[in-house]
Amino acid sequence: LAKTTQPISMDSYEGQEVNITCSHNNIATNDYITWYQQFPSQGPRFIIQGYKTKVTNEVASLFIPADRKSSTLSLPRVSLSDTAVYYCLVGVYNQGGKLIFGQGTELSVKP
Amino acid sequence: GAVVSQHPSRVICKSGTSVKIECRSLDFQATTMFWYRQFPKKSLMLMATSNEGSKATYEQGVEKDKFLINHASLTLSTLTVTSAHPEDSSFYICSARDSGETGELFFGEGSRLTVL
Repeated sequence: LAKTTQPISMDSYEGQEVNITCSHNNIATNDYITWYQQFPSQGPRFIIQGYKTKVTNEVASLFIPADRKSSTLSLPRVSLSDTAVYYCLVGVYNQGGKLIFGQGTELSVKP
Repeated sequence: GAVVSQHPSRVICKSGTSVKIECRSLDFQATTMFWYRQFPKKSLMLMATSNEGSKATYEQGVEKDKFLINHASLTLSTLTVTSAHPEDSSFYICSARDSGETGELFFGEGSRLTVL
């Protein structure tokens, strides 16, 4: 299973764009990249998933370079409610197989 | 969207007792479920993979006799913490994989166990 490395914490202000980068140097060909958000005392919540290039949904964008050894989660115009821990996971998401969580990035959004 | 429900959400028990936590997939069938535990300010740690109709697969270092997992149906997996001790106090989270075409993974809201 590919190991992921993320910054432990990040600070931002309301209205700013936040980019969180995750390294996954030994990602396998069949692996997808999935990001989750977790608030205290809650289960993780799916944010976005991608395999290559760029994926965008209503809450975030995911940028994946051609070598797929890293990925960047982009949160546009964050608000206080985006304060949470963000996890980058790499694995065969839509098939059998377990997902291993890394350290995650604790994002703190200030007014 | 698909929902995974955990019960109870919070439980307090005395040391030495056993506690059962349920994980249900409410609107889909899940051949595979996963159990995680999470300590304060730490990441989720995978404990075991629960397979419907067969024995669970435990991660290295997880005591299978301590954490009993049963996956008797396609919508229910249970985790029983046997002879609980204060060090077992933690946040336990399950996830369930849709057995249908999507194979998507959904997480429960977690169960907070406090052992006195």
